[in-house]
Amino acid sequence: NAGVTQTPKFQVLKTGQSMTLQCAQDMNHNSMYWYRQDPGMGLRLIYYSASEGTTDKGEVPNGYNVSRLNKREFSLRLESAAPSQTSVYFCATYQLNTQYFGPGTRLTVL
Amino acid sequence: GENVEQHPSTLSVQEGDSAVIKCTYSDSASNYFPWYKQELGKGPQLIIDIRSNVGEKKDQRIAVTLNKTAKHFSLHITETQPEDSAVYFCAASMTGNTPLVFGKGTRLSVIA
Repeated sequence: NAGVTQTPKFQVLKTGQSMTLQCAQDMNHNSMYWYRQDPGMGLRLIYYSASEGTTDKGEVPNGYNVSRLNKREFSLRLESAAPSQTSVYFCATYQLNTQYFGPGTRLTVL
Repeated sequence: GENVEQHPSTLSVQEGDSAVIKCTYSDSASNYFPWYKQELGKGPQLIIDIRSNVGEKKDQRIAVTLNKTAKHFSLHITETQPEDSAVYFCAASMTGNTPLVFGKGTRLSVIA
């Protein structure tokens, strides 16, 4: 089992460009999450999906949209990237109080 | 909502010494407190957790203690080894499907 997979691993964007970060899981977990990690700021929740067909805002949702395409996949979209969105993005599933993280996507916005 | 404070932000210890990382939380309704370890270039992984009906839990060289009255919990690593070097995060939530609230992390360096 691959667990939680994320693509791409690295991405460089110019200000104003759009892109979608992909996340997939093979653990059959209902809940999926997107976090961003910045130096000294820890892990901040962007959006989460408690189950297929539902999404909710987290602590820092502005500038992002999400799609829970099916039980396996949860994508994060930046419509118009800004330098403040330079970060490492982690997707995670959540089952029985345990968060299972993917390997992360390192995004740089110039 | 819940707020989790974590200290220190960086910690250096000599190999073989103990390391202690402390967290406080604000919501007295929180009853689940996990600790995650993040190695360089990887996502965080759960290493130990504790629930509010327990005061202490051990797993080999790591232990977690909880003081519900004071609303703080701590991670203790004994006989530290170079492979313990990583960033450690504490978190808090209510059991069920409530999102975890994470502390800002502690970068632990174990010096050989």
